[in-house]
Amino acid sequence: DQQVKQNSPSLSVQEGRISILNCDYTNSMFDYFLWYKKYPAEGPTFLISISSIKDKNEDGRFTVFLNKSAKHLSLHIVPSQPGDSAVYFCAASASNQGAQKLVFGQGTRLTINP
Amino acid sequence: NAGVMQNPRHLVRRRGQEARLRCSPMKGHSHVYWYRQLPEEGLKFMVYLQKENIIDESGMPKERFSAEFPKEGPSILRIQQVVRGDSAAYFCASSPGATSGNTIYFGEGSWLTVV
Repeated sequence: DQQVKQNSPSLSVQEGRISILNCDYTNSMFDYFLWYKKYPAEGPTFLISISSIKDKNEDGRFTVFLNKSAKHLSLHIVPSQPGDSAVYFCAASASNQGAQKLVFGQGTRLTINP
Repeated sequence: NAGVMQNPRHLVRRRGQEARLRCSPMKGHSHVYWYRQLPEEGLKFMVYLQKENIIDESGMPKERFSAEFPKEGPSILRIQQVVRGDSAAYFCASSPGATSGNTIYFGEGSWLTVV
């Protein structure tokens, strides 16, 4: 059972435009959400996180939005840069099910075109 | 992910051999996690350890896989009698604590190839 889903395997965006990556989850006990970025042959790099008590968190060019009623979160990158080209993973955890036991989506490959 | 050190980065084993993957957490982190990424899939939780204790091994295959985090030295993920299906990237991560809000930081991974 895929508790965290990233339905778009890939996304292509023009440099300077906004990139929007989406993630859906099914487990209503999830209360902490993270986005990681991964380059080939490297480990995931933490980007930004959000607690379920918030609906938005912003850090520079990255903003994460959480819609609890829809069990949906999204990552906005603006403006997109060529160095943003990577695979992006959404992850979630539940405090009462092991706070650090992250459940990952399958990833979305983002390509920024110059 | 600077600071979580994994080795070897690449390991080739023949079927039936043993694979040992090592992980040193970031300085000041006492919680270690192992995740596995199969080709074209997301990362899957395997095990969560603190020094000398396995806290959660619900993601570990019941046979052939074991993990430890001794009082001294790195955490070790051990795979006995490897099979082709064990070929994957194995990522270690660490955190200072275990509550929500303690983001975990990943190492660069160990790529196991079973031939």
